[in-house]
Amino acid sequence: QVQLVQSGGEVKKPGASVNISCRASGYSFTSHPVQWVRQAPGQRFEWVGRINAGNGVTKLSQTFTNRVTITTKNPARTVFMELRSLKHDDTGIYYCATRFATSSGFDLWGQGTQVTVSS
Amino acid sequence: EIVLTQSPGTLSLSPGERATLSCGASQSIDSDSLVWYQHKPGQAPRLLIYNTSKRATGTPDRFSGSGSGTDFRLTISRLEPEDFAVYYCQHYANSFTFGPGTRVAVK
Repeated sequence: QVQLVQSGGEVKKPGASVNISCRASGYSFTSHPVQWVRQAPGQRFEWVGRINAGNGVTKLSQTFTNRVTITTKNPARTVFMELRSLKHDDTGIYYCATRFATSSGFDLWGQGTQVTVSS
Repeated sequence: EIVLTQSPGTLSLSPGERATLSCGASQSIDSDSLVWYQHKPGQAPRLLIYNTSKRATGTPDRFSGSGSGTDFRLTISRLEPEDFAVYYCQHYANSFTFGPGTRVAVK
C-alpha cells in the first residue's frame, strides 16, 4: 500500500527539540522528494523544507534554516525532521508529503503529527 | 516571495449549489505551479487540482479549476455533503506557499 506513516504526537517544553519520523511504503522511496509542511492553529499551511531521499540533499524554508534538520535513512525508507529551540508558536500539526502520481502539488500525505510546545 | 490570497474567507451554501472560490497571487505565476487542496478536520489535505485545471486522481468532475496570471478559481458545480471543507490554493516557485483557505460551510 502506497502510504506515508508518521510518528506519534509530542509534547515539549520551550527550548527543547522534537524529532518526527515519516516512513514511506509502497513506492520507490528514492525517486520522490519528501516535503515537510506544518499548520499552526488558525494559520495557513507553511512549507518547512524537503529532502531528496535518493541523495540526502535538503532545501529548507528561510523561516526554518537555522532550526530544522531533515535527514533520511534509506534502508529504513524513513525521513526525519528535527526542529530545535522550540517556541510556543511551533505548536501545530506537522505533515510529511510527496509528489507521487502528479506533476505538481503533493498527492501523498502522512497522517500528521501534533507537536505541542507548552511550559 | 509570492503571496496568495483567497476569497471569500467563508462561503455558506446549501447542497446542490454552485461554489466559486478565488485565489489571487501578488504577482503573475506559472499556471503549472498552482494547485488546490481540500482539507477536512483530522485528515491530511487532499490534492484536488494541479497545474491550475487538471483533476488529480479520484477528484470528481464536479470540481474544476481555471485561471491564469494572478487570478485563479476553483469551482464546485453542485455541492455534495462531503464537499463541505476548507480549500487551499498552493503555489510553487523556489518554495511552496499556501493561501489562507476558504471554508465552504453548510448554509
